[in-house]
Amino acid sequence: QSALTQPASVSGSPGQSITISCTGTSSDVGGYNYVSWYQQHPGKAPKLMIYEVSNRPSGVSNRFSGSKSGNTASLTISGLQAEDEADYYCSSYTSSSTYVVFGGGTKLTVL
Amino acid sequence: EVQLVESGGVVVQPGGSLRLSCAASGFTFDDYTMHWVRQAPGKGLEWVSLISWDGGSTYYADSVKGRFTISRDNSKNSLYLQMNSLRTEDTALYYCAKDHNPVKTRYYFDYWGQGTLVTVSS
Repeated sequence: QSALTQPASVSGSPGQSITISCTGTSSDVGGYNYVSWYQQHPGKAPKLMIYEVSNRPSGVSNRFSGSKSGNTASLTISGLQAEDEADYYCSSYTSSSTYVVFGGGTKLTVL
Repeated sequence: EVQLVESGGVVVQPGGSLRLSCAASGFTFDDYTMHWVRQAPGKGLEWVSLISWDGGSTYYADSVKGRFTISRDNSKNSLYLQMNSLRTEDTALYYCAKDHNPVKTRYYFDYWGQGTLVTVSS
């Protein structure tokens, strides 16, 4: 069981928006702004999409945005495109002995 | 261009040992904390370990504490993971990953290698 809870799957049609949630505790998501999101296509390494809750690295489309409320972080993808179909993982620093925790991952299907 | 190239993954028996390596290029290696992250076949990501820019601080996931040792050689731009007392549950693709900010660890990873596969099986 992963430390952060994500839905196993979400889906949307091209052009629509979807949101993936990531629920933790006050020891991780709720207590720190070190929340990040990664996109992983099959057979590929993960790619950083959002860091420090809502910041986009250079080169990442502005269709990707992040936010946080309490112990839950969210990744929103607007204007869905076929290439967005992938697995998405959230991650956070944690004050526990594990230091970094991931969510179990969410499979995004573009219908 | 930042490049991280892992090597050393093989099939090993339970209880065995292995050392993974990661060769870094394209950035000032000794400015950055480095991490190992693993992914079991068909499963999610699991953080394994980190080492500070100067090697002075190391941290481990509870699942590997006491069995794995992370190290680095800044003169060779290389990161290592010594894995002892391997278990079947250590079977995974092991990624080397670069921390986002120089010097101060930020606990997120802006560049990843392609991974090296470790299989623990009798």
